[in-house]
Amino acid sequence: KAGVTQTPRYLIKTRGQQVTLSCSPISGHRSVSWYQQTPGQGLQFLFEYFSETQRNKGNFPGRFSGRQFSNSRSEMNVSTLELGDSALYLCASSRVLGDANEKLFFGSGTQLSVL
Amino acid sequence: EDQVTQSPEALRLQEGESSSLNCSYTVSGLRGLFWYRQDPGKGPEFLFTLYSAGEEKEKERLKATLTKKESFLHITAPKPEDSATYLCAVQADNNAGNMLTFGGGTRLMVKP
Repeated sequence: KAGVTQTPRYLIKTRGQQVTLSCSPISGHRSVSWYQQTPGQGLQFLFEYFSETQRNKGNFPGRFSGRQFSNSRSEMNVSTLELGDSALYLCASSRVLGDANEKLFFGSGTQLSVL
Repeated sequence: EDQVTQSPEALRLQEGESSSLNCSYTVSGLRGLFWYRQDPGKGPEFLFTLYSAGEEKEKERLKATLTKKESFLHITAPKPEDSATYLCAVQADNNAGNMLTFGGGTRLMVKP
């Protein structure tokens, strides 16, 4: 069974540009969540989607947005990039929401560098 | 606001030298406390979920325990392949989704 797939693996952008990251969840998983990981702040929750609807959002500016498609694949977009957006962006999938018995399966992430 | 603090930030052990990692947490109501392992260049990999104080779970050389304020990850006779960053996270019971609040992690290095 294929795991969570994130593309691209690495990205280099300049300040002011925008970027789109992609996540394909495990087959049969309907929930996708996104996290930002930096050395200083650790892992921070961005947002999560279930059945194409955003269910939760973390404390990030409106420049960070996402969406989920009918096949459960998800994209996140960051507009007007800032240097501080350099981070590893992780996607996680699960079958359902709100059940602690449910494990989150993480992808390997997209490493974004903003120059 | 939910908070998770892990200590120490880094830990160096000799192979076979047992130790414990600490995770202190504050949460409005705990649905679950999770331990993950993260290797360099990879995403976190699930290890355990603990639900209530007094609960313990084991997997190979790892044992996780939970109190009302802390969780410990005990590593018995570690091997070099146990070297990784260990992450602790909580999920609040007032959360309709799967959102996790993570600690900063403990970077474990086991020398042969």
